[in-house]
Amino acid sequence: DTEVTQTPKHLVMGMTNKKSLKCEQHMGHRAMYWYKQKAKKPPELMFVYSYEKLSINESVPSRFSPECPNSSLLNLHLHALQPEDSALYLCASSQDSGGARYIQYFGAGTRLSVL
Amino acid sequence: GESVGLHLPTLSVQEGDNSIINCAYSNSASDYFIWYKQESGKGPQFIIDIRSNMDKRQGQRVTVLLNKTVKHLSLQIAATQPGDSAVYFCASISGSARQLTFGSGTQLTVLP
Repeated sequence: DTEVTQTPKHLVMGMTNKKSLKCEQHMGHRAMYWYKQKAKKPPELMFVYSYEKLSINESVPSRFSPECPNSSLLNLHLHALQPEDSALYLCASSQDSGGARYIQYFGAGTRLSVL
Repeated sequence: GESVGLHLPTLSVQEGDNSIINCAYSNSASDYFIWYKQESGKGPQFIIDIRSNMDKRQGQRVTVLLNKTVKHLSLQIAATQPGDSAVYFCASISGSARQLTFGSGTQLTVLP
């Protein structure tokens, strides 16, 4: 089973709203990732959690706040977003961020629209 | 810095023909490569990977070739089917941070 589950699948929010994206995996993976993907572009890395600790923040604006409550869950809290933040947000996981197998398995994503 | 790119943004092939998707990378320190397939409305799906100490790896209907001399890799899909229509991304890993760097993607369209 290589399933990464993301909820919700679609989200529409205003610029003053607060919302959260959720990601879950039960593969025992210890590294989890958030990516942002614009239409017809490759995914862009936002955050990396390794063993539940934030290890990489790719200079993401503070209106995006990640959280890793436990090894199976990853959240992305959204607040005061801008219309240009509209995109597909992808979660991924891998066995380890520095181990022998680097294959990242992706969820289906949350399609976010900011009005 | 790391750069992974694809030669062609779009590729159209007849159903049943073989497809070849190419990818060039610039960082000679890249030591691991992955091909992903992304269908419309879905996340990237792992297809096949290859380490830099290999030059060829085969999967089910797919083969990845790696030429380190010219920093080039390709994905070959045998007997292309309509379900193969998707965007294909190559990705590389290098450095101590082991971050995944994606190429720009190739849209494969399978014609009936």
